[in-house]
Amino acid sequence: AQSVTQLGSHVSVSEGALVLLRCNYSSSVPPYLFWYVQYPNQGLQLLLKYTTGATLVKGINGFEAEFKKSETSFHLTKPSAHMSDAAEYFCAVRLDSGGYNKLIFGAGTRLAVHP
Amino acid sequence: KAGVTQTPRYLIKTRGQQVTLSCSPISGHRSVSWYQQTPGQGLQFLFEYFSETQRNKGNFPGRFSGRQFSNSRSEMNVSTLELGDSALYLCATHPGTSNYGYTFGSGTRLTVV
Repeated sequence: AQSVTQLGSHVSVSEGALVLLRCNYSSSVPPYLFWYVQYPNQGLQLLLKYTTGATLVKGINGFEAEFKKSETSFHLTKPSAHMSDAAEYFCAVRLDSGGYNKLIFGAGTRLAVHP
Repeated sequence: KAGVTQTPRYLIKTRGQQVTLSCSPISGHRSVSWYQQTPGQGLQFLFEYFSETQRNKGNFPGRFSGRQFSNSRSEMNVSTLELGDSALYLCATHPGTSNYGYTFGSGTRLTVV
């Protein structure tokens, strides 16, 4: 069965510091992987996705993630945190079965950025 | 181009009542999925509709149902509301092609009292 584990429900960084949010997945087939961000009282916004091809994926707002098959990981990084990055981040894997699909989400990581 | 529109944004209902939520997808998006988000259970898949047919259903009781219209707009209905149904209900749409990212609406916050 496919699943997603996000290590650390809360991460706190200083403004300007590196952001690293961890995501590990389990999948019996090559996965499609996603990172979404959620601001308070909002829906989910797609940051980036990995489908096939290049394993280093660049997204919006300066975020990127690297798909590492050997480590079953898809960690999200940003070189320099900004106050506006404070939000909740979700890693997801797409489960495909019998012609239909759905997203399976991790529990989320709340990122706090302090001055 | 307009995003995914969910209405209403906020809703307060009493236990035992029923509720209908609406989702209008981005033009050209034929697949509509619904998710429930709660602090305890996180994001959980409810069901997916494609071309007016339910293709996939999550592990929710039969009180949760949905439908999709010919213009791809979707509604979900919850009957006999329980306190535990209080949640943010999110709709996600995509065109139906293989390499896609789902686009989410802002959600409907349902409070059951």
